[in-house]
Amino acid sequence: DAKTTQPNSMESNEEEPVHLPCNHSTISGTDYIHWYRQLPSQGPEYVIHGLTSNVNNRMASLAIAEDRKSSTLILHRATLRDAAVYYCILRANFNKFYFGSGTKLNVKP
Amino acid sequence: EPEVTQTPSHQVTQMGQEVILRCVPISNHLYFYWYRQILGQKVEFLVSFYNNEISEKSEIFDDQFSVERPDGSNFTLKIRSTKLEDSAMYFCASSGETSSEQFFGPGTRLTVL
Repeated sequence: DAKTTQPNSMESNEEEPVHLPCNHSTISGTDYIHWYRQLPSQGPEYVIHGLTSNVNNRMASLAIAEDRKSSTLILHRATLRDAAVYYCILRANFNKFYFGSGTKLNVKP
Repeated sequence: EPEVTQTPSHQVTQMGQEVILRCVPISNHLYFYWYRQILGQKVEFLVSFYNNEISEKSEIFDDQFSVERPDGSNFTLKIRSTKLEDSAMYFCASSGETSSEQFFGPGTRLTVL
């Protein structure tokens, strides 16, 4: 069973970088790593995804360990609007998604 | 901007009753999903649907659940005989490709009394 583990909560100051860790030690070779975030009272929102190589997009960067057993979501400059629950997710088999319990990010002004 | 819509926003039902939750995915998307989130807990995958059939389902998605794309625009989740523990927020999502960005709807809150 593919699973992810994340810290329950993290805190950051506005305008500073944030590194959100995720462990997925049971990941298999074909599992993709996805990150979504969920603002209060909303559905999840896509952040980024990757397989083996580090990935960058306009929202964030994803750093994947060489053995793929962990990854880190990097928000380069946290804003108050980034306060949300961040889910690390494995996409297994063809189209099956395993959500972690999420990290609640609090951003202080 | 295209978006996923869900109706109703809140459904209240009696235990043992059937409910149908409706979703309209983004029009050119090919992959459709249902998730649930019990209050205060994490999001849980229920089922993925592609080419008019289920492609993956979780252990939660038992015989009480079914999905359908009846008319090429709607995507429905049916719970045949609701239980108290089915009370949750149900999210529909769609994506253009299997490993690309999923767009989530606003959710339907199901309350089973």
